[in-house]
Amino acid sequence: QVQLQESGPGLVKPSATLSLTCTVSGDSMTTYYWSWIRQSPGKGLEWIGNIYYSGSTNYNPSLERRVTMTIDTSKNQFSLRLRSVTTADTAVYYCARDRDLFYFENWGRGILVTVSS
Amino acid sequence: DIQMTQSPSSLSTSVGDRVTITCRASRSISTYLNWYQQKPGKAPNLLIYGASTLQGGVPSRFSAYGSGTDFTLTISNLQPEDFATYFCQQSYSTPYTFGQGTKVDIK
Repeated sequence: QVQLQESGPGLVKPSATLSLTCTVSGDSMTTYYWSWIRQSPGKGLEWIGNIYYSGSTNYNPSLERRVTMTIDTSKNQFSLRLRSVTTADTAVYYCARDRDLFYFENWGRGILVTVSS
Repeated sequence: DIQMTQSPSSLSTSVGDRVTITCRASRSISTYLNWYQQKPGKAPNLLIYGASTLQGGVPSRFSAYGSGTDFTLTISNLQPEDFATYFCQQSYSTPYTFGQGTKVDIK
């Protein structure tokens, strides 16, 4: 059974870069897409984007200017960088595995990231 | 972006009741519609994908159908563990989008 675990700082200053890593265990990363999704009280669930095991990416246009996703299959990890954060980026961030029809079958537990000075 | 609208936003019900939640897409998404259950402090959990296919391990009291723009999730014989928030999500086109959620709580 695949398991995902988010890691990274829980507090980020405004205008800084949010960096998170998702570590995957229990299955290979190949042939799958891997997503980042966030959830805040104000905006609900928001898909940030996904990355294929080959490294190709799809980003939400609302965040595309500030987002970079990378993947390292040798380490079983993929990462999210979100630049120039504001308080509106405060949310619980989840990593997830996409399945064939782009539903999210497996999720990490989530990590609360607060943007505050 | 495709907007997903759920109704109702919340409902109060009792153990043993039948519950129906609807989800409407702002344009046709064929059957690229998925349902999730979320409990407080937990990640969403996939219930149904492809509009009507039950994810493995999900009890058969959950069912769903729909295509195009209108979809429903039904929970028959509601159990105590079913009190949660339910979300729909379209996977027809990026950016994938979610409904705002329907909270099912105890009357």
